[in-house]
Amino acid sequence: GAVVSQHPSWVICKSGTSVKIECRSLDFQATTMFWYRQFPKQSLMLMATSNEGSKATYEQGVEKDKFLINHASLTLSTLTVTSAHPEDSSFYICSARVREVEQYFGPGTRLTVL
Amino acid sequence: GQNIDQPTEMTATEGAIVQINCTYQTSGFNGLFWYQQHAGEAPTFLSYNVLDGLEEKGRFSSFLSRSKGYSYLLLKELQMKDSASYLCAVSDSNYQLIWGAGTKLIIKP
Repeated sequence: GAVVSQHPSWVICKSGTSVKIECRSLDFQATTMFWYRQFPKQSLMLMATSNEGSKATYEQGVEKDKFLINHASLTLSTLTVTSAHPEDSSFYICSARVREVEQYFGPGTRLTVL
Repeated sequence: GQNIDQPTEMTATEGAIVQINCTYQTSGFNGLFWYQQHAGEAPTFLSYNVLDGLEEKGRFSSFLSRSKGYSYLLLKELQMKDSASYLCAVSDSNYQLIWGAGTKLIIKP
């Protein structure tokens, strides 16, 4: 099956710093990747849809200047949390779409902002 | 608006059978997914239904009725490792996944 990796698996940073999370499709090309956020005991919340070579589409309420998404190649999308604050602490998960209905999830990145 | 409903929490006994229901109202339909998510981990794919009927895969089965906007996930011979959240998601007309809030399944010995 298709494999999606995320790096790092977990990160702890100080308030005000920026953190970059990478999402890679290892054995397939993904024209579309999705970024989700999940707070404890809550369901997945779609943050943005990332299409290779174009600007990401952000969901309502998600600040595009705070959560920078770059999808420069068919196998890599990055999410940068800029000027992170404790309320940004969450579990960030990416997924990659293979065909219209097939999505494969990365293992997630746990971000803790002190 | 688009809406996915599933129970918040269910409890079942090891070795028993449990059915987790999901009802949906979405703009368009391109299939319904069930995912399993253990605490602190990303979701893993369980099943995909796009046509009416029952899809069986080992101990897990998933049913879909498009006319009723209804699906269920059936877990048989429950094991302790089945304790997890089960997420129902529908692919809408734009092939975007609309997620339910998830059902936390607690398995007791």
